[in-house]
Amino acid sequence: TQLLEQSPQFLSIQEGENLTVYCNSSSVFSSLQWYRQEPGEGPVLLVTVVTGGEVKKLKRLTFQFGDARKDSSLHITAAQTGDTGLYLCAGVYDKIIFGKGTRLHILP
Amino acid sequence: SAVISQKPSRDICQRGTSLTIQCQVDSQVTMMFWYRQQPGQSLTLIATANQGSEATYESGFVIDKFPISRPNLTFSTLTVSNMSPEDSSIYLCSGRTSTNSPLHFGNGTRLTVT
Repeated sequence: TQLLEQSPQFLSIQEGENLTVYCNSSSVFSSLQWYRQEPGEGPVLLVTVVTGGEVKKLKRLTFQFGDARKDSSLHITAAQTGDTGLYLCAGVYDKIIFGKGTRLHILP
Repeated sequence: SAVISQKPSRDICQRGTSLTIQCQVDSQVTMMFWYRQQPGQSLTLIATANQGSEATYESGFVIDKFPISRPNLTFSTLTVSNMSPEDSSIYLCSGRTSTNSPLHFGNGTRLTVT
């Protein structure tokens, strides 16, 4: 069974601070995806990283895929209250397996 | 991108009964999956819905409890059979067109079993 460990599970910080969420696995995936989920809705894809060492930026969000394609990180710069939500990493192969998620709460 | 419609959006059911959840995609998707999510928690994969053949179930999930149909590339159903309170959860349908393409989700079915 392939498992994804995501940390931290909960994070509450002040607006304007920076944060990093980590996603680790002992398995290699063909790619890794990050999703964000709002209450009452399904998860929505933020980014897909495919190549080991790849870095992708989405405004204030920076995603990195580890060289060995087993781990990834999401860094948010100058967090805003609108960033509040559940962030999920997902390992991709013939199916998609999700990490336990990070519930992020940005305080005004 | 694919739009996925799921119904019902919520239901309250009695112990011992069964509920069938329908999932309709507005375009053809190669792969469809069913997930379960406890409120505030992550998603657990139940099964891959295979077109025209039996679904592929993950460990801990069996066909007798969660029969799945997928008669074509745009439609699938999940039945939660002989329900108990432990089946109370959010059930999510999803689909994608290729391995690295985005996984699109419906808004889920919130099931409460009393």
